Amino acid sequence: GDSVTQMEGPVTLSEEAFLTINCTYTATGYPSLFWYVQYPGEGLQLLLKATKADDKGSNKGFEATYRKETTSFHLEKGSVQVSDSAVYFCALSGSSNTGKLIFGQGTTLQVKP
Amino acid sequence: GAVVSQHPSRVICKSGTSVKIECRSLDFQATTMFWYRQFPKQSLMLMATSNEGSKATYEQGVEKDKFLINHASLTLSTLTVTSAHPEDSSFYICSARTYWTGGRGYGYTFGSGTRLTVV
Repeated sequence: GDSVTQMEGPVTLSEEAFLTINCTYTATGYPSLFWYVQYPGEGLQLLLKATKADDKGSNKGFEATYRKETTSFHLEKGSVQVSDSAVYFCALSGSSNTGKLIFGQGTTLQVKP
Repeated sequence: GAVVSQHPSRVICKSGTSVKIECRSLDFQATTMFWYRQFPKQSLMLMATSNEGSKATYEQGVEKDKFLINHASLTLSTLTVTSAHPEDSSFYICSARTYWTGGRGYGYTFGSGTRLTVV
């Protein structure tokens, strides 16, 4: 079945460092891909999305490109801030139209001043 | 933008009692609502999918008699944890499938979550 694999965390960076969180997926057809962010004690917020191959999603300085050839959707940010500290989830919605979101295991990011 | 209001945000209940969690879509109609459970430092586990006016579809291993889901209207879905026990303590999150205007596809709007503690 469809699945999402994220890099293990936690990831600890200094402020203004470059961030990459790897995400790869397994799916039949052409899934939509998402990155969500969860701050402590809160629900999930959509960070960015891409719905087809080579699409680049971007928001708040974060970017991710839908790479079908490598089945990847890595999250990047050029300069992280302390306020970016959170848990990041990569997710896919398969093309089977069940509507289910399948999540990766989440990656905790801690940014130190 | 689309907002899903989830209540309560925190609840503590005694073992053996039932707890109801509500999710309301405030400015759109949520024909499909998803209910997730999240254990500390873990990912979200899909429990069930509910469609307005029909029975919920539960994921394998989820007890439908324990986790009652009702989706009686296009703006309200509820999850009732019946006869709760300490092992039901968790963070429960709802999510509504949201269609964006202009043919830009769809996404998912999440509630803010409910922290259930059963003592």
